[in-house]
Amino acid sequence: DIQMTQSPSTLSASVGDRVTITCRASQSINSWLAWHQQKPGKAPKVLIYKASRLESGVPSRFSGTESGTEFTLTISSLQPDDFATYYCQQYNSYPYTFGQGTKLEIK
Amino acid sequence: QVQLQEWGAGLLKPSETLSLTCAVYGGSLTNYYWGWIRQPPEKGLEWIGDIDHSGSTNYNPSLKSRVTISVDTSKNQFSLKLTSVTAADMAVYYCARGFIVGGRRDSFDIWGQGTMVTVSS
Repeated sequence: DIQMTQSPSTLSASVGDRVTITCRASQSINSWLAWHQQKPGKAPKVLIYKASRLESGVPSRFSGTESGTEFTLTISSLQPDDFATYYCQQYNSYPYTFGQGTKLEIK
Repeated sequence: QVQLQEWGAGLLKPSETLSLTCAVYGGSLTNYYWGWIRQPPEKGLEWIGDIDHSGSTNYNPSLKSRVTISVDTSKNQFSLKLTSVTAADMAVYYCARGFIVGGRRDSFDIWGQGTMVTVSS
């Protein structure tokens, strides 16, 4: 199985901050990576797919980049609605696997 | 606006079979694939398996011996069965839609709201 390692596990930030979450794959996943946002008691919502493509309706302050097996999700200017848990997911090969999550908290 | 709605028994005893269905409203099963993902309380996400409209499936090897995913195109829904459940199977179960591009399965783009399954004697 491909292991997805996210960092940090928890991130404290303030409204207006620029934040970056990193996800490292244990082997090449050829850009087949998605980022999902999950709020407490709610289903995940996809933000980014194919490493850098913004899902329709997602604010442009979210962006995704890749460098080899390292992927980053950046929020350019945190808004109150962005405090949530974020998961990366590879869908390059089965079984699809998720990172352990990054909880973004209000500082 | 496509919506997914899961339903099924929410309370099971150990060794029973979990059975969930996901109905697809406002869209067709064709040209997409359909997945199940679960999340134990206060934990992360685990992919269970998926199926396309023709019935072609993929399963997580960690669950493969106990999982069956099926599709009913006449009812526009797909289902999950997990046999011999234990406390480790207690989780919120989500169904999700994935899109297909050029014959290749791409990302999930729509999730159901999830349904909690509790396993207790």
